[in-house]
Amino acid sequence: KNQVEQSPQSLIILEGKNCTLQCNYTVSPFSNLRWYKQDTGRGPVSLTIMTFSENTKSNGRYTATLDADTKQSSLHITASQLSDSASYICVVRGAPSGTYKYIFGTGTRLKVLA
Amino acid sequence: DTGVSQDPRHKITKRGQNVTFRCDPISEHNRLYWYRQTLGQGPEFLTYFQNEAQLEKSRLLSDRFSAERPKGSFSTLEIQRTEQGDSAMYLCASSHHRLTEDTEAFFGQGTRLTVV
Repeated sequence: KNQVEQSPQSLIILEGKNCTLQCNYTVSPFSNLRWYKQDTGRGPVSLTIMTFSENTKSNGRYTATLDADTKQSSLHITASQLSDSASYICVVRGAPSGTYKYIFGTGTRLKVLA
Repeated sequence: DTGVSQDPRHKITKRGQNVTFRCDPISEHNRLYWYRQTLGQGPEFLTYFQNEAQLEKSRLLSDRFSAERPKGSFSTLEIQRTEQGDSAMYLCASSHHRLTEDTEAFFGQGTRLTVV
């Protein structure tokens, strides 16, 4: 079964601290993996997209890593800010030869405190 | 073009009533997706269109749900005889599909449905 699992389910950190969110997936064949940020009551917004040949990609204070062999990805947030408080969702896209849907994880809810 | 837009943003309806949501994708995006998201969960796939053709439907899409994209541009999602369990955020996304890859999916702000 094609699944995407994220951990932790929720996380509270102090402003300025770093954190790492995890994503494990079983989607196969695999096309790409994306991290989205979703503020409460709003639609998801893309942070990074990685294909199976990419190991790391950065977008400002966000750095995503991907290990296609172990089917694991992480999102590292550096020097967190209050505005980072949101849900972070890992989304895996199957290859055209398999499922072609976007498969979403349940997300990690991050709360950054002053 | 300002992105994917959904209307209405919020809808409160009485159980048993029918509701219809609209999604306007990014211009020239040929793929359009509908997702449902309940509190604390990630979005769940409902259905998607390639131009006007509905290519896949989730088993979550019961016979009370119907989606259309008549001209390959905007789409509507109708829920008939709403139930309290239909209360959720309904998200629409669009992307441009090429033969081997497509652009990232851009999401709308969603329509939050509350069935009372």
